[in-house]
Amino acid sequence: GAGVSQSPSNKVTEKGKDVELRCDPISGHTALYWYRQSLGQGLEFLIYFQGNSAPDKSGLPSDRFSAERTGGSVSTLTIQRTQQEDSAVYLCASSSGLAPDTQYFGPGTRLTVL
Amino acid sequence: QKEVEQDPGPLSVPEGAIVSLNCTYSNSAFQYFMWYRQYSRKGPELLMYTYSSGNKEDGRFTAQVDKSSKYISLFIRDSQPSDSATYLCGGFSGGYQKVTFGTGTKLQVIP
Repeated sequence: GAGVSQSPSNKVTEKGKDVELRCDPISGHTALYWYRQSLGQGLEFLIYFQGNSAPDKSGLPSDRFSAERTGGSVSTLTIQRTQQEDSAVYLCASSSGLAPDTQYFGPGTRLTVL
Repeated sequence: QKEVEQDPGPLSVPEGAIVSLNCTYSNSAFQYFMWYRQYSRKGPELLMYTYSSGNKEDGRFTAQVDKSSKYISLFIRDSQPSDSATYLCGGFSGGYQKVTFGTGTKLQVIP
């Protein structure tokens, strides 16, 4: 079946512009995660959605970052007034939310802020 | 303190060596522990998971959890160049709580 898809695969933007990154999770998965991976750096948790519960936003690095998940399916990560340090690969993952909660990752969006 | 701590490496070993990758965690509620493997420019994929303490073996890979010391290990026997990747450990308590990962250890197996 279809896996997690993300779009765009690559995004180049100018400093100060807003960007939107999209994630299409596996159908039926109630949990959705966003992560960031900077060049040569590790996996950094950003935000977690589970069903209709309030999202866990504890990983968002600043108020320029926000995410929403519409209808319990597609999610959009928005970065406002992008900065060069926002350049990274943004990964989305979805899972059933049930133990052991295997996560299925998308291919990522490579964001470059000039 | 992060909930899951992992040495970022890089770790370089010769082909055929036994590799030991380790993590520590602080959340006592974790019941499931997992290892993901991430090849360059790809998303992470589940390698194996264990429930509670103990060992689990899958081919050349053995995952080990010691809940008393909050220590997670992954051993790779007869390491191959194709094992070169970043390895992420994670913990999960169940009950629709989020999975928490370490930052990953980069492994390079030299032919």
